Amino acid sequence: NAGVTQTPKFQVLKTGQSMTLQCAQDMNHEYMSWYRQDPGMGLRLIHYSVGAGITDQGEVPNGYNVSRSTTEDFPLRLLSAAPSQTSVYFCASSYGVSGANVLTFGAGSRLTVL
Amino acid sequence: GQNIDQPTEMTATEGAIVQINCTYQTSGFNGLFWYQQHAGEAPTFLSYNVLDGLEEKGRFSSFLSRSKGYSYLLLKELQMKDSASYLCAVRDGDYKLSFGAGTTVTVRA
Repeated sequence: NAGVTQTPKFQVLKTGQSMTLQCAQDMNHEYMSWYRQDPGMGLRLIHYSVGAGITDQGEVPNGYNVSRSTTEDFPLRLLSAAPSQTSVYFCASSYGVSGANVLTFGAGSRLTVL
Repeated sequence: GQNIDQPTEMTATEGAIVQINCTYQTSGFNGLFWYQQHAGEAPTFLSYNVLDGLEEKGRFSSFLSRSKGYSYLLLKELQMKDSASYLCAVRDGDYKLSFGAGTTVTVRA
């Protein structure tokens, strides 16, 4: 099992460029989510999905789009990158959202926007 | 939304005990998690509490008081490899998981 796989690990963008961060899991998890992690601010939820075809906004959704066409994949799209989106992005998944469902995290994607 | 507070940094000596406190305010409560995150790596699960009391798992224990909105993570017999950031996370009434900013623990020889 690969777990949660994120690509790319590192990316440098110029302001205004668009890109997609890929996330795939092979654990048949229904719940998938994207967090960003900034110094002193902890992990903040961007978007999440409770199953294929269902997505919803988290705490900091502006500037990001997601879709969930399959159970396995949950890509995060930056529409027009801004320096404020410089961060480390983590994709995480779990079987469900209730009780002791534990989030499994990908290795992270470090994005720099110039 | 949620408000989760934990200390920014703690330092302790190898072999000692360290207690990391976490206080939270949430609209609905569906469990509290502790994660460990080494520098440059992904968070990994340490413990889960949903009922009041102490959960022990080897050298690590976690305590919860729902009425006080309070939890702590206790690390015993500290080892150098325990130097990491420890994240407190609370699952709210809508089942979203929110994280505190993390506590960086440095273990010194």
